[in-house]
Amino acid sequence: DVKVTQSSRYLVKRTGEKVFLECVQDMDHENMFWYRQDPGLGLRLIYFSYDVKMKEKGDIPEGYSVSREKKERFSLILESASTNQTSMYLCASSTATGTGQFPLNEQFFGPGTRLTVL
Amino acid sequence: AQKITQTQPGMFVQEKEAVTLDCTYDTSDPSYGLFWYKQPSSGEMIFLIYQGSYDQQNATEGRYSLNFQKARKSANLVISASQLGDSAMYFCAMRERYTGNQFYFGTGTSLTVIP
Repeated sequence: DVKVTQSSRYLVKRTGEKVFLECVQDMDHENMFWYRQDPGLGLRLIYFSYDVKMKEKGDIPEGYSVSREKKERFSLILESASTNQTSMYLCASSTATGTGQFPLNEQFFGPGTRLTVL
Repeated sequence: AQKITQTQPGMFVQEKEAVTLDCTYDTSDPSYGLFWYKQPSSGEMIFLIYQGSYDQQNATEGRYSLNFQKARKSANLVISASQLGDSAMYFCAMRERYTGNQFYFGTGTSLTVIP
């Protein structure tokens, strides 16, 4: 059974703390993604990575950084957590789209981490 | 411009009835894929159905079908014979072949099935 796992389902942190959210996939996928989800705003892309040590900014990268030292693991880091980072964080992975590859494959999601910053 | 637009924040349907969730998209890439995901209250995103831009027929998966109207850039999800367990958020998403790595999501539609 293919899986994307996230290190915590629920997390409570204090303002100013450094926060690490870990994501691991076992499907040998090239691409990994971090989203945040807020009511009425859908999923917003924070960062994605298409290879080890490679990363691209998404729509809302401010206040976040990422690390991908191994293919299966993608970490999201909040350097100094703030209350406006209270949200649901979703990790996902997918295969890459090589030239000529069709159909395009879907993303697989982890269970999500509900982060509360007090 | 929004890549994916879902204009129905909330929908209600009677159990055993069919319901259509709307999705329109915007792309200039001739090769793309459209996806629908379900997110129950537990939070996990569940992949439901996929439609490729070159697919001649509408995709179907059990009680789910995708009403694909390419000229109108529309990819509506149809759920037949609604069940109480269908109550969830539903997200439409798109992936373009030549930008490849990113997925674009709509803001979602909350579906409530009434007994």
